[in-house]
Amino acid sequence: GAGVSQSPSNKVTEKGKDVELRCDPISGHTALYWYRQSLGQGLEFLIYFQGNSAPDKSGLPSDRFSAERTGGSVSTLTIQRTQQEDSAVYLCASSPVGAYSYEQYFGPGTRLTVT
Amino acid sequence: AQSVSQHNHHVILSEAASLELGCNYSYGGTVNLFWYVQYPGQHLQLLLKYFSGDPLVKGIKGFEAEFIKSKFSFNLRKPSVQWSDTAEYFCAVRVDKLSFGAGTTVTVRA
Repeated sequence: GAGVSQSPSNKVTEKGKDVELRCDPISGHTALYWYRQSLGQGLEFLIYFQGNSAPDKSGLPSDRFSAERTGGSVSTLTIQRTQQEDSAVYLCASSPVGAYSYEQYFGPGTRLTVT
Repeated sequence: AQSVSQHNHHVILSEAASLELGCNYSYGGTVNLFWYVQYPGQHLQLLLKYFSGDPLVKGIKGFEAEFIKSKFSFNLRKPSVQWSDTAEYFCAVRVDKLSFGAGTTVTVRA
């Protein structure tokens, strides 16, 4: 079956511009996660959506970062006024059950480069 | 805050050699433990996980990991690696959220 998909696969943007990254989770998965992977570092948790509950935004690094999930499915991560330190691979994952202990299925990621 | 340490940044070994990747975490309470793998050009995928019970867990592709609570460790092992095991390996620990280590790049020479 279809896995988690993300678009675009690569994004190059100029410093100060806004970007939107999209994630399509596996159909039927109620939980969705965003992570950031910087060069030489592990995955950094950004935000977690579970059903209709309020999202856990505790990992968002600044108020320039926001995310929404429409209709319990597709999610968009928005970065406003991008900075060079925002350059990273942004990964989305989904799982069939809420709670972080269940296996998460990862997408291919969006590589963001801020010039 | 919890943290996850992977001791090796890059490991290079020959086919048929044994592999052991270290993972330590800082939280003293109940944890769930995972190893994920990312093969070149592919998505992150789960290798194995530990929730409770037998501390020696077996995963896919001949990998296993041992949870040693007293050492706060969850080391990954494979007795005999293949060229196809070349990948990046991530240890992850869940207390409330899932925290990942920095990853270990494993290169297996044919």
